[in-house]
Amino acid sequence: AQSVTQLDSQVPVFEEAPVELRCNYSSSVSVYLFWYVQYPNQGLQLLLKYLSGSTLVKGINGFEAEFNKSQTSFHLRKPSVHISDTAEYFCAVLGGTYKYIFGTGTRLKVLA
Amino acid sequence: DVKVTQSSRYLVKRTGEKVFLECVQDMDHENMFWYRQDPGLGLRLIYFSYDVKMKEKGDIPEGYSVSREKKERFSLILESASTNQTSMYLCASSLTGSTPPLHFGNGTRLTVT
Repeated sequence: AQSVTQLDSQVPVFEEAPVELRCNYSSSVSVYLFWYVQYPNQGLQLLLKYLSGSTLVKGINGFEAEFNKSQTSFHLRKPSVHISDTAEYFCAVLGGTYKYIFGTGTRLKVLA
Repeated sequence: DVKVTQSSRYLVKRTGEKVFLECVQDMDHENMFWYRQDPGLGLRLIYFSYDVKMKEKGDIPEGYSVSREKKERFSLILESASTNQTSMYLCASSLTGSTPPLHFGNGTRLTVT
């Protein structure tokens, strides 16, 4: 069965510091990978996606992620965070038709 | 841009009431989904629909039903609301089953008292 693990439930980081949010997945089939962001009391917004091709994927708001097949990881990074990046971030995989699996989320708290 | 609209942002209902959550998408997407979001549990799939009048159970369908009479509209129904159905409900759509990504609405926060 497919699964997605986000190891950190909360990540505090100071403004302008770099951040990495970790995501590991398990799947016996080829996958599509996604990161979504959720601001308070809103739905999920797509940050970036990996479907094929280059393993380094760039998304909106300066975020990027790297697909590592050997380590089954898809970690999200940003070199310098802003207060406005405070939100919850979800990693997800699509491992078959219709079946999206989401991680439990990582709350990023950017401190002034 | 794809727009997925959920009719209510906040709802408060009493135990035992029948509750309808409505979702509309404007991009002629084939697939629509209902998720439930709870702290520490992430998103869990309740039901999805891959065509008009077609539906499939997700991981937690108990206590819920759905209706898709038109392609753009997907309704989630709580036949008899219970307090353990207090949650954030998210609707999403995708072009086809194998064509990501999912596009989400803004969510409906339902409180059952």
